[in-house]
Amino acid sequence: RKEVEQDPGPFNVPEGATVAFNCTYSNSASQSFFWYRQDCRKEPKLLMSVYSSGNEDGRFTAQLNRASQYISLLIRDSKLSDSATYLCVVNKGGTSYGKLTFGQGTILTVHP
Amino acid sequence: ETGVTQSPTHLIKTRGQQVTLRCSSQSGHNTVSWYQQALGQGPQFIFQYYREEENGRGNFPPRFSGLQFPNYSSELNVNALELDDSALYLCASSSKTGVTEAFFGQGTRLTVV
Repeated sequence: RKEVEQDPGPFNVPEGATVAFNCTYSNSASQSFFWYRQDCRKEPKLLMSVYSSGNEDGRFTAQLNRASQYISLLIRDSKLSDSATYLCVVNKGGTSYGKLTFGQGTILTVHP
Repeated sequence: ETGVTQSPTHLIKTRGQQVTLRCSSQSGHNTVSWYQQALGQGPQFIFQYYREEENGRGNFPPRFSGLQFPNYSSELNVNALELDDSALYLCASSSKTGVTEAFFGQGTRLTVV
């Protein structure tokens, strides 16, 4: 079983739609959680960190359920510019800090 | 811009050859991690360097090796290249003091023919 699993999609949605991505992780020792965004042939960039209390950044909302080892990302009012691959990322923390474990990514295409 | 630079941006090598990829970390960051991203996959952790010492390694064979220099820049060396080594190689710099994000360079796209 992969340490971090995501639905690879692709997700094809119209502008203005709401889309949700899910991710599960297997290592209960994981301490930090992130969503990264990767545009085609570019490097991953941090979209947002994910906290147990849930956090929101504009149109983006991230949730973490430690008991279920489940992470989600909700994008509201999708824009064309949201088209990208979204990577669920987990860090075990402690001496493992900075050694990120990535899911395979979920491809999102937003069309007019 | 993240301040993390990698060179070269693209590279074509022949199977069996050796390659060296370079990474300059962001100012103030003392930790560099290297990742391999095959087409259609998420990045996979190769190893990490902290203050010139290897600080953890992923599931990669010994022909993948690295160095970190006193200015915290880093090299990734791959010997005896195989076709499956074709991938985007990413380095990420971070700081061990406090919880900070990892900043990625633009990557080196390696093609082994």
